[in-house]
Amino acid sequence: KNQVEQSPQSLIILEGKNCTLQCNYTVSPFSNLRWYKQDTGRGPVSLTIMTFSENTKSNGRYTATLDADTKQSSLHITASQLSDSASYICVVSHPNQAGTALIFGKGTTLSVSS
Amino acid sequence: DGGITQSPKYLFRKEGQNVTLSCEQNLNHDAMYWYRQDPGQGLRLIYYSQIVNDFQKGDIAEGYSVSREKKESFPLTVTSAQKNPTAFYLCASSLEGSSYNSPLHFGNGTRLTVT
Repeated sequence: KNQVEQSPQSLIILEGKNCTLQCNYTVSPFSNLRWYKQDTGRGPVSLTIMTFSENTKSNGRYTATLDADTKQSSLHITASQLSDSASYICVVSHPNQAGTALIFGKGTTLSVSS
Repeated sequence: DGGITQSPKYLFRKEGQNVTLSCEQNLNHDAMYWYRQDPGQGLRLIYYSQIVNDFQKGDIAEGYSVSREKKESFPLTVTSAQKNPTAFYLCASSLEGSSYNSPLHFGNGTRLTVT
């Protein structure tokens, strides 16, 4: 069964610290992997999209890595800020099934405290 | 600014009533989607549309209906047949089908409460 598992479910860190969120998937075949940030009560916003041939992609203080062999991805947040408090969602895409191709993880809720 | 507008932000309805959620985009995107988000669950696809006047059922289409008469608009109707309609509904669009590399652009959602 195609699944996307994220860990931890929730995380609390101090402002200024780094953190890493994990995403393991069993989706096959695989087209691309995406990370989204969702603030409370808002829609998700795209952070990165990586194809199977990409190992890492950065967006400011956010760096995503992908190991297509082990089917694992991580999102590293550097020098966290209070505004990083949000849910981070990992999404994996099937090829050739437009519209029904995206498998969403349940998200990791990050709380950054001062 | 280009984006997706969902309205209303909050919606309250009595059980047994149909309700329509609005979604408008000015990004000139071909594809549009409706997702449902429940606490502790990943987003689930309700309906999607690749072009005007065409749409397909997603994973949880029962009790919902859509139309795509204009490229910019993709309204969702939650019917009385939907057994558990209380949820956060998200509309999204993409330049092309989601199996390609274009990101989804989401609206800010409509929170529907049915009592």
